[in-house]
Formats: sequence, C-alpha cells, structure tokens
Amino acid sequence: GAGVSQTPSNKVTEKGKYVELRCDPISGHTALYWYRQSLGQGPEFLIYFQGTGAADDSGLPNDRFFAVRPEGSVSTLKIQRTERGDSAVYLCASGYSGLDNEQFFGPGTRLTVL
Amino acid sequence: AQTVTQSQPEMSVQEAETVTLSCTYDTSESDYYLFWYKQPPSRQMILVIRQEAYKQQNATENRFSVNFQKAAKSFSLKISDSQLGDAAMYFCAYRSYNAGNMLTFGGGTRLMVKP
Repeated sequence: GAGVSQTPSNKVTEKGKYVELRCDPISGHTALYWYRQSLGQGPEFLIYFQGTGAADDSGLPNDRFFAVRPEGSVSTLKIQRTERGDSAVYLCASGYSGLDNEQFFGPGTRLTVL
Repeated sequence: AQTVTQSQPEMSVQEAETVTLSCTYDTSESDYYLFWYKQPPSRQMILVIRQEAYKQQNATENRFSVNFQKAAKSFSLKISDSQLGDAAMYFCAYRSYNAGNMLTFGGGTRLMVKP
C-alpha cells in the first residue's frame, strides 16, 4: 500500500512569510508525529497526535509553530513569520497506537527560508 | 531527559567487509526501546533493527545485528558483508516506555562503502 506522503517536497520562502507543510499518513494509522531535521543533525521531535488531538506538543520551539489534524488523518504543520533558522527538513511519521508499533516515515519537506 | 550520542560522524568500509557503528545513550529508565534507522539521500527514514531493553538477546536482521550492553548504555550496529546499497546516514534512536511515543535520535553516522 501507499506509504506516508508529504507535500511539497521542497519549499522556498522569504523571511517573514507563512508556510504550511502537509502530511498524508498511512491509512488507518492513528498516531502521527512531526520531526525537524536540521542540516547535519538527527531529527528532533516536534509534536505527536493521537487521533485528532495533540497528545504531546512539547517539541514545538515557539508559538510560531502550530500543527493540526482535524479529521484524524491528514496533518498540517503551520509556521508563521518564518525565520532563516527554520530552514530544515520536516519529517512526518505515522503508526498504530502503542509503544510496540513502528513509526513509518515520509520523505520529508525541505524548507528553505531566504 | 534522554540523550543519544553517536561519536563517529563518518565511517568507511570496503564492500563485503564488516563495519560497526557506535551509539551510547543516557537514561534513568529501565524499560525502553532502541532502534537503528537508515536514511539514504532520498531522506526517508527506514527502520533497520530494533531492540527491547528487557530482552537480553541481541537482535539480528539478516546482515544487521546489534551489541546491546544495558549496563554500559551502549547499542552498536554491526553490518556484515557490506554492500554498496548500505551507504547512507545511520541514526540510533531511543524510545521510552513511559514518556510518550516520540523517538530521540543521535546525530548520525555517515557510512561510505568502497567498491
């Protein structure tokens, strides 16, 4: 079946602009995660959804970052007033609930803020 | 908070040879999961192998095996009979039993395979 998809693949924006990044999880997966991977580093956790609700948003760096998952499937990561430091690859992963279940990753969106 | 450290930014191996990637972690928990992920240039993270902390037996998946030393908080990955397709970034990751479902990643090791 289809894996996790993310759109766009690449996004270039100017400092101060608003961007939205989309994640389509694997059908039936109730858990969805966002991670941010800066150049040369490992991914860092941003937010975790269980169904429609954010179960853990402790990784969001500040209030410019917000994510939604209104119907428990597709999720959108929203970044307001982008800064050059926001440039990174944003990875989405989905999985079934439970600690024993694997997280399946998408190919990520590379965000470049000029 | 848990931390994961990969002390080897780059490693190189000859095709068909064996290479070991190192990972150490810090935690006060007794139950957790450990993972090795592969990230090729396509950016998509692929699970290579996982280890449950309560299991004493080291996990193996075909050419991939781990050396899990719980007391030393060490979790190394051994790749046997290295292939050109093994060239990628490798990330060690930790997941707690008790503190939510997120993964904590190390900084990664770039593996190069020489023909």
